[in-house]
This record gives sequence, structure tokens and C-alpha cells, in this order.
Amino acid sequence: DILMTQSPSSLSASVGDRVTITCRATRDIRMYLNWYQQKPGSGPKVLIYGASTLQSGVPSRFSGRGSATDFTLTISSVQPEDSATYFCQESYSDAHTFGQGTKLEIK
Amino acid sequence: QVQLQESGPGLVKPSQTLSLTCKVSGGSVSSRGFYWTWIRQVPGKGLEWIGHIYYSGKTYYNPALESRVTMEVDTSQNQFSLKLNSVTAADTAVYYCAREFNFSGSGSYPDHWGQGTLVTVSS
Repeated sequence: DILMTQSPSSLSASVGDRVTITCRATRDIRMYLNWYQQKPGSGPKVLIYGASTLQSGVPSRFSGRGSATDFTLTISSVQPEDSATYFCQESYSDAHTFGQGTKLEIK
Repeated sequence: QVQLQESGPGLVKPSQTLSLTCKVSGGSVSSRGFYWTWIRQVPGKGLEWIGHIYYSGKTYYNPALESRVTMEVDTSQNQFSLKLNSVTAADTAVYYCAREFNFSGSGSYPDHWGQGTLVTVSS
């Protein structure tokens, strides 16, 4: 099984800060990595797919990088509406495993 | 705009079968290049991918749940379904259906989600 570990589990940032969330896979998943944003009471929304491709309609302040086992999601200038939980997910294995989530709070 | 809507019982007894249906509108389950997917989330916890089905009926299940899961697609009704048998309290979760886009190069991702439905397993 592939395990996906995100860090940190939570973080607090001020408007305008640059924020980076890390996701690590226990084995090589090439670029089969997606990032999602979830707000309370709603289903997740895809931000990035294929490790670095921005989903249509997603603000350009979101970006993704990485390959193999190490990936990052960066928000270049955090906005109040970015308060949410962020998940990574691999689509390489049969389990399509999600990370445990990173909760972003805006100060 | 593709929309998905889950339906089914909100309460299931332990050892029984959980059955959910996802009705698709604004798109067709027969579309090539898309899978039809179920994902669940224990309230306040993380997400678990259950599996997906192609319009042809070909299924791919999470190995952790494979022995208990059955998915079907009904192209005439433009919907797909999930059955999870021998449920326990650990299966209590919000169940989402989604359309999963299979793109060339690096995998697939759910690009449209239903609102989710809470299923509680309790006697």
C-alpha cells in the first residue's frame, strides 16, 4: 500500500503570506498526484492534478510541484477565502490514497 | 454543467448492506474518458476512495474494501450505484459520488462531486 503523509497537519497564516504544504508518498508515484481544497459542509474541489497542472477556474496563486515521492502545494499570497482543509491524493495505485489533510487557518 | 446527486437510506443496521445511487445530470455516464466514482469521509476525518466504474461496467475497487463492494452503472437511467455489504460502525461516513476524469499522462481526478450523503450504521 502507498501511504500519503502531509505536513503540517495544521497551520495559521496571515493574508498575503506564502504558504507551502508538503505531501510525501511511501513509494514512487511519478506525477500521479492531485490536490484538493475542502471547506466545511462541502465536498472537495480539485485545485491541481498531475502534480502541477492547475484546474480550470482555480486562482493562479495556487501552484503544485514535485514528482516521485515528494510534492508541494504553494499558495503564493494567502487570501481569506483560502481558509480550508487541503488534501493530496495519489492516483497511481489501486487505492487512490488520500493524505490526512492540512487545515489552513487565516489569522 | 455536470451535476451528481446521491440518494439512499441514511441509516443502515450492522451486518446489512449499504446501497446508494448517484443520478447524473448535465452529462452522460456513457461518456468516454470518465470514470464514475465513490469516495467516503468519516465526519471530521480524512477521505477514502472506494472505487470507480467505467460506462462499460469495468470496475476498479480499493483493495481494502474490494471483498465487500459492488458497483454498477445503468446507462438507461444515467446513474450508477454502490453496494457495501456486511457493514459495521466503521462504515459510518459521508458518501460522495463523483465524476473522475482520466487524463493522459498522469492519472485521474474527480472533477465534479455530489453534495454527499451521510450514512450511519447503527442498530
